Amino acid sequence: DAGVTQSPTHLIKTRGQQVTLRCSPKSGHDTVSWYQQALGQGPQFIFQYYEEEERQRGNFPDRFSGHQFPNYSSELNVNALLLGDSALYLCASSLLQGGETQYFGPGTRLLVL
Amino acid sequence: AQRVTQPEKLLSVFKGAPVELKCNYSYSGSPELFWYVQYSRQRLQLLLRHISRESIKGFTADLNKGETSFHLKKPFAQEEDSAMYYCALNTNAGKSTFGDGTTLTVKP
Repeated sequence: DAGVTQSPTHLIKTRGQQVTLRCSPKSGHDTVSWYQQALGQGPQFIFQYYEEEERQRGNFPDRFSGHQFPNYSSELNVNALLLGDSALYLCASSLLQGGETQYFGPGTRLLVL
Repeated sequence: AQRVTQPEKLLSVFKGAPVELKCNYSYSGSPELFWYVQYSRQRLQLLLRHISRESIKGFTADLNKGETSFHLKKPFAQEEDSAMYYCALNTNAGKSTFGDGTTLTVKP
């Protein structure tokens, strides 16, 4: 089991563009959470998906949206990119009935110019 | 709204010395608390959670609801403990809040 995987590893976009990040959860996990981690800060919770629906959301604007597929993989979409969206985006998977111990992916580094 | 505070950005100790990484939280409900660790060039990983009450790599953490704290302790620090440590709180609705982390350096 490769654990949680994310793609791409790095991405450069310009302001106003749209981006899609992808995450495959650890085998057997049904829940995916997304985080934004700016330099020098802890991960900030964006949202969590379970059974293809957004279960919980943090304080992020509607420009941030997501999707979970029947195979539990997930996408994070960010529209109308701003310079401040530059960050490391982390995906974490867990088993909802397992007390929500999260397993993290390596992250996608997004740079908005 | 929940909040997690790690007051020390940097902590440096000598090998063999005790270490304590502080974590304070605010949450009106019943929290579930975690410590995550990130070693150099590795991904974030769970170190321990308060529910399991186990000791991992010699680290322990006790939830003190009166002081709203969940400090991480180890009696004898090792060089391999050098890493970034994050305290995190989960609500039962599935929302996670992380502190900004403490970088621990254990000097030889």
